[in-house]
Amino acid sequence: GEQVEQRPPHLSVREGDSAVITCTYTDPNSYYFFWYKQEPGASLQLLMKVFSSTEINEGQGFTVLLNKKDKRLSLNLTAAHPGDSAAYFCAVSPFITGNTGKLIFGLGTTLQVQP
Amino acid sequence: EAAVTQSPRSKVAVTGGKVTLSCHQTNNHDYMYWYRQDTGHGLRLIHYSYVADSTEKGDIPDGYKASRPSQENFSLILELASLSQTAVYFCASSETGYEQYFGPGTRLTVL
Repeated sequence: GEQVEQRPPHLSVREGDSAVITCTYTDPNSYYFFWYKQEPGASLQLLMKVFSSTEINEGQGFTVLLNKKDKRLSLNLTAAHPGDSAAYFCAVSPFITGNTGKLIFGLGTTLQVQP
Repeated sequence: EAAVTQSPRSKVAVTGGKVTLSCHQTNNHDYMYWYRQDTGHGLRLIHYSYVADSTEKGDIPDGYKASRPSQENFSLILELASLSQTAVYFCASSETGYEQYFGPGTRLTVL
């Protein structure tokens, strides 16, 4: 079945620096991709969704890149600030006949942004 | 206004006891899910449902049962709680079966 590897598990940057988190997946038929943010003690908040026809999505202060050839999904936080400190999870929807709606999550990246 | 709510938010249970975690959504979504989160394991799917009165096994269903009595409500039942079931449990709902929205979580400690 689909496997998702997320790197790095921990990331520490200074305020204003960029931070890049990458996920690789195995199923070439996967076609929905998501990034979630989880602040300490809180729930998961949907940050961005990317579909197979989209390569780059830009949000507020971050960019998501999908490289289907390399089966890689990345989240790039530009000019990180302390409020970005959180755990980030990628999630991939593998192609399953009948649409069971399963998501396969990466193990997460804990990002710390130091002032 | 929170669309996915969970109760209780935290619970301490004794080994061998019965635990019921409840989830309620006002999104009018057909799909609902139960995950557990453990350090080093990310989120793992326990049970899910895409219609009332029907549930499906996820990736780690052993030791858990689920109940979906209505579109809005989805419960997770631990008939005989064990130490290994100490974790944070998240409920989620989805309209399409892909984009999922999570509740605030329940921290379960089994002693």
